[in-house]
Amino acid sequence: DAKTTQPPSMDCAEGRAANLPCNHSTISGNEYVYWYRQIHSQGPQYIIHGLKNNETNEMASLIITEDRKSSTLILPHATLRDTAVYYCIVRVVWGGGADGLTFGKGTHLIIQP
Amino acid sequence: EAGVTQFPSHSVIEKGQTVTLRCDPISGHDNLYWYRRVMGKEIKFLLHFVKESKQDESGMPNNRFLAERTGGTYSTLKVQPAELEDSGVYFCASSLLGVSTDTQYFGPGTRLTVL
Repeated sequence: DAKTTQPPSMDCAEGRAANLPCNHSTISGNEYVYWYRQIHSQGPQYIIHGLKNNETNEMASLIITEDRKSSTLILPHATLRDTAVYYCIVRVVWGGGADGLTFGKGTHLIIQP
Repeated sequence: EAGVTQFPSHSVIEKGQTVTLRCDPISGHDNLYWYRRVMGKEIKFLLHFVKESKQDESGMPNNRFLAERTGGTYSTLKVQPAELEDSGVYFCASSLLGVSTDTQYFGPGTRLTVL
């Protein structure tokens, strides 16, 4: 079962920042927070991940609270192509690899023109 | 660089028949994962190969499913005999071995319809 809780859906205006919350109150010290998204019926796409520090890449920013019980994915300037289901996943990554991803229901983000 | 590819993109078979799905991971990726999404459900993990060895097959639904990865390159997932509830989209993903971040790259999926 997924160890995260996300709102089922969110709307955001095109060009604005989209802030997607995720609760993971039972996260363990060695578990990372990963974000993936699935656009329509394509394969899931990696966005970003972090352990305890805030992270930023060309797609998004990840803000993790100090107690690591929640995080927020930020898409700084949402476009219509960002409409997708966003998944917040916590998982252990070990030396040789990692376990499979456990997908929950995710948040259906709809970008409005 | 080519991404993860899957074949076929769609497959329609009748109950009781056999179907084999193929996944070609990104070159050099020793980790290979299979997932599936059945109608109205979440994406579920099926199994994980490290090179040619099955690291974790805890998600395989039953013994009608057989996954192989001979030679540690491409992988096949055979369903025999197929049942109606096997309908769904089967995804394959791959990642580099030994990298602490384990970013998984997914293929476009194979849509399986069992009639």
